[in-house]
Amino acid sequence: DAGVIQSPRHEVTEMGQEVTLRCKPISGHNSLFWYRQTMMRGLELLIYFNNNVPIDDSGMPEDRFSAKMPNASFSTLKIQPSEPRDSAVYFCASKIDSSGNTIYFGEGSWLTVV
Amino acid sequence: GQQVMQIPQYQHVQEGEDFTTYCNSSTTLSNIQWYKQRPGGHPVFLIQLVKSGEVKKQKRLTFQFGEAKKNSSLHITATQTTDVGTYFCTGYQKVTFGTGTKLQVIP
Repeated sequence: DAGVIQSPRHEVTEMGQEVTLRCKPISGHNSLFWYRQTMMRGLELLIYFNNNVPIDDSGMPEDRFSAKMPNASFSTLKIQPSEPRDSAVYFCASKIDSSGNTIYFGEGSWLTVV
Repeated sequence: GQQVMQIPQYQHVQEGEDFTTYCNSSTTLSNIQWYKQRPGGHPVFLIQLVKSGEVKKQKRLTFQFGEAKKNSSLHITATQTTDVGTYFCTGYQKVTFGTGTKLQVIP
């Protein structure tokens, strides 16, 4: 079975450019999460969706970040304009939304903004 | 909101020594999950604890859930280099992880 699929796996971009990260959750999972991981701040929850609806976006750092989930099998995290401090690993994860279900992570998108 | 804090943030141990990481919550948790992230990898589910005072074992790993369901621990007996990584706990409501405990095992 395919796990959570993220793309791109690695991206290097110049400051000011738009970055779009993509995620395909596991089929049948109705909760989707975007995380950002850095050495300093650890694994931060940015936003999560339930049944394609954003439930909590309080972790989104600022207006430059936006996330969408147009359907049950696809989500995007967009950064516009990107800044060097956005350099991090971005993980997408999904689960079936009921108490106690395991969260499955994608392999991450390694973003470097120069 | 629900806050789960994990200590220590870093731990270096000699191979063969034991290791423990602790997870503490400000509120009662319905359950707690533990994950491991190998260097360069992504977090992977290890175990879930649900009952007050629950203890579960996976080979050299022992997981405990406190009686008040506000804290949990992961204990590794006789660490090996394969145990290297970052261990995260999460209390369930908001699925937040924090910095975890980064374990380094010195051969």
